[in-house]
Amino acid sequence: GNSVTQMEGPVTLSEEAFLTINCTYTATGYPSLFWYVQYPGEGLQLLLKATKADDKGSNKGFEATYRKETTSFHLEKGSVQVSDSAVYFCALSDRPGTSGSRLTFGEGTQLTVNP
Amino acid sequence: NAGVTQTPKFQVLKTGQSMTLQCAQDMNHEYMSWYRQDPGMGLRLIHYSVGAGITDQGEVPNGYNVSRSTTEDFPLRLLSAAPSQTSVYFCASSTGTGNTGELFFGEGSRLTVL
Repeated sequence: GNSVTQMEGPVTLSEEAFLTINCTYTATGYPSLFWYVQYPGEGLQLLLKATKADDKGSNKGFEATYRKETTSFHLEKGSVQVSDSAVYFCALSDRPGTSGSRLTFGEGTQLTVNP
Repeated sequence: NAGVTQTPKFQVLKTGQSMTLQCAQDMNHEYMSWYRQDPGMGLRLIHYSVGAGITDQGEVPNGYNVSRSTTEDFPLRLLSAAPSQTSVYFCASSTGTGNTGELFFGEGSRLTVL
């Protein structure tokens, strides 16, 4: 079956530090890949996505590149802010474009950014 | 901009009690789903629906029932609550055919079973 593995957390950084959160996946076919973010007390919201190999998703200074050869979708940001403190989830969609598409999530990585 | 609305936000039950978590969306989405979130385990799919009158099981369906009588509503029923069902529950929806898998989430319902 499909699976998503994220680096273990929690991750604590100082403001303006470089962020990497690793994500690798196992899936058949050609999944779409996503990063979702969950701020304290809220539901998940889409941060960025990539639908095919070598695509780069980006949003709010975050980036991730769909690497089919290494089955990875690592999240990066050059300079984090206190407001980026949240839980980050990597996810894949096994049947994108179909009504039965389902997301498989990683365990989540808690990021805390200190001033 | 209501989006996906879940009620209640918090609930405490005793073992053996039943309850229903409500979920409503106003985006005319075909696809709706329920996830539970537990520490260190990410989100796990409980049940999902691809349209009114159609439901299917996800990864962890035992102890939960769903129905989809309208496009807008997708309630989750706990028939006889157990402490193992203590969790945060999220309802999510998306468009049907042509979507790229993006889900829109509600704010969550925190359930404690004593």
